[in-house]
Amino acid sequence: GAGVSQTPSNKVTEKGKYVELRCDPISGHTALYWYRQSLGQGPEFLIYFQGTGAADDSGLPNDRFFAVRPEGSVSTLKIQRTERGDSAVYLCASSSIPGQGPNEQFFGPGTRLTVL
Amino acid sequence: AQSVSQHNHHVILSEAASLELGCNYSYGGTVNLFWYVQYPGQHLQLLLKYFSGDPLVKGIKGFEAEFIKSKFSFNLRKPSVQWSDTAEYFCAVNAPMDTGRRALTFGSGTRLQVQP
Repeated sequence: GAGVSQTPSNKVTEKGKYVELRCDPISGHTALYWYRQSLGQGPEFLIYFQGTGAADDSGLPNDRFFAVRPEGSVSTLKIQRTERGDSAVYLCASSSIPGQGPNEQFFGPGTRLTVL
Repeated sequence: AQSVSQHNHHVILSEAASLELGCNYSYGGTVNLFWYVQYPGQHLQLLLKYFSGDPLVKGIKGFEAEFIKSKFSFNLRKPSVQWSDTAEYFCAVNAPMDTGRRALTFGSGTRLQVQP
């Protein structure tokens, strides 16, 4: 597609439930990032994929959070046993990787997760 | 670890006024610097980026930013704002050349409101 797409746009769930959030990056982009944005804050990094593998997962807050990218394109962020504090907008971004140079990250519209 | 400070949380200007939004970062090595904008109801978009060369960077829509290494600053400027510039502005940094990490660290954002 022309841009990064994310589904669903909104997700309301109950505390303790499991949720999956999907990201479809720009075609051909090998790098994919997940960020989380809480109200009044800037995005905070969660995890970065280069191809199929997680190159940096240092931002995942705990083991309830997990992400996969099995074919190096679409990625799914999975949250187990959701807590009210997980409520936020989850952003996905993708970029191409020109060696170690700077890379522009293109962001999707986000998934607004509300945990009741 | 890097951190980014945006000291102006909410700025209100009249149309045609000049704009300067502050951004300071904490990392002492080689950095890439970015300004992203989020218009109401839209996703994050890149305004401009700096990675090397001329410290005065020009971006889209008449925005520019100046990298001052000695001050660890990357302030965003526009000589004459328009009502359509009403948005939230985020400064971000990464340092992949030094750290190998491509994740962006964002500031908390500045909400700009331009009154007609």
